[in-house]
Amino acid sequence: DTEVTQTPKHLVMGMTNKKSLKCEQHMGHRAMYWYKQKAKKPPELMFVYSYEKLSINESVPSRFSPECPNSSLLNLHLHALQPEDSALYLCASSQDRAGRVVYGYTFGSGTRLTVV
Amino acid sequence: GIQVEQSPPDLILQEGANSTLRCNFSDSVNNLQWFHQNPWGQLINLFYIPSGTKQNGRLSATTVATERYSLLYISSSQTTDSGVYFCALQRGNTPLVFGKGTRLSVIA
Repeated sequence: DTEVTQTPKHLVMGMTNKKSLKCEQHMGHRAMYWYKQKAKKPPELMFVYSYEKLSINESVPSRFSPECPNSSLLNLHLHALQPEDSALYLCASSQDRAGRVVYGYTFGSGTRLTVV
Repeated sequence: GIQVEQSPPDLILQEGANSTLRCNFSDSVNNLQWFHQNPWGQLINLFYIPSGTKQNGRLSATTVATERYSLLYISSSQTTDSGVYFCALQRGNTPLVFGKGTRLSVIA
């Protein structure tokens, strides 16, 4: 299995809702990432988990709450989002934080989030 | 942090034409990847190429690490090659950083 699987593919939520994005990989990778991508912009890093511990939080607002229940799963819990949080949310994994494998980072297909 | 500059920002090609996309970077890297983002948003890994040359069908890439640039060659372009091509870099343990991308449109 050489894939990163993200669910759901599309999500529409109100500003008072609570929802979660899920990401799963079975490549034995020990580093997992959340990136956010706005339209016509490159992906920007949000969080890094290394060996199931949060190692980088790029000053993301607390309405985004990451969780790594085990080495294969990464969640992003969403609460009280704003319309400007609408974006494509991408999950990625790599062997470790230095990406020392011939494949580098592997990305999922993303969750397209719309906040209304 | 490391700087990534991609050129050209936009490119329009006739089907069947060849093209070269460039990525310049400001420091030594241990990871360099080229991605294609299709119209549905999926980031497809084309090459992991911190140095050297690789080929995959109509695509090839070369990274000259000592001169801090990488090139992506697309030959005999097809409409399905349309999308955004990103160069992304990593230095040490810092996470992958993306360039602004080259938006390619291939017209029939």
